Amino acid sequence: AQSVTQLGSHVSVSEGALVLLRCNYSSSVPPYLFWYVQYPNQGLQLLLKYTTGATLVKGINGFEAEFKKSETSFHLTKPSAHMSDAAEYFCAVSEGTGFQKLVFGTGTRLLVSP
Amino acid sequence: DTEVTQTPKHLVMGMTNKKSLKCEQHMGHRAMYWYKQKAKKPPELMFVYSYEKLSINESVPSRFSPECPNSSLLNLHLHALQPEDSALYLCASSQEGRSSYNEQFFGPGTRLTVL
Repeated sequence: AQSVTQLGSHVSVSEGALVLLRCNYSSSVPPYLFWYVQYPNQGLQLLLKYTTGATLVKGINGFEAEFKKSETSFHLTKPSAHMSDAAEYFCAVSEGTGFQKLVFGTGTRLLVSP
Repeated sequence: DTEVTQTPKHLVMGMTNKKSLKCEQHMGHRAMYWYKQKAKKPPELMFVYSYEKLSINESVPSRFSPECPNSSLLNLHLHALQPEDSALYLCASSQEGRSSYNEQFFGPGTRLTVL
């Protein structure tokens, strides 16, 4: 079964600093990988996804992630944090056979201080 | 329209009540999902409907009963719930359930409290 590990339940950065949220996956087949963001009391919004092709994926709100097969990683980055980026971030992997089932990591709460 | 709507936003019910959650999308998606999310946890898949047929039931207790009347609507009927069922219930949809690369669009959720 596929799985996702997100290192760090909380990450704190200052406004303007680099954001790095870590995600490692386990999969026996080429994975489809997703990053979702959840603001308080809201649903999940897709930031970006990797399916095939270019390993550097650009998403919304200035976020990007790089798929590294050799490291089984899909870390999320943003060059300069904004206060509005404070939220919960979930990395997810999609099982590639049968019906789509998203398997989520445990989430990382991003805190941004002025 | 790229929105998934859910009603109600909040629901408080007793353990003997019967209530329903409603989810609607008008994106022409043929797969719809119910997730349960406890506080400070990731969403957990409950059900998947594909082309209006129940395709996946993740061993959910029978006090949760899903229904897909048409391709735009998804209901979750609740009966005899327990306090531990209190959670945020999220609905999602995607173009087609068998394509694992499709993104899922999530609604804002219904915050359920069982007394």
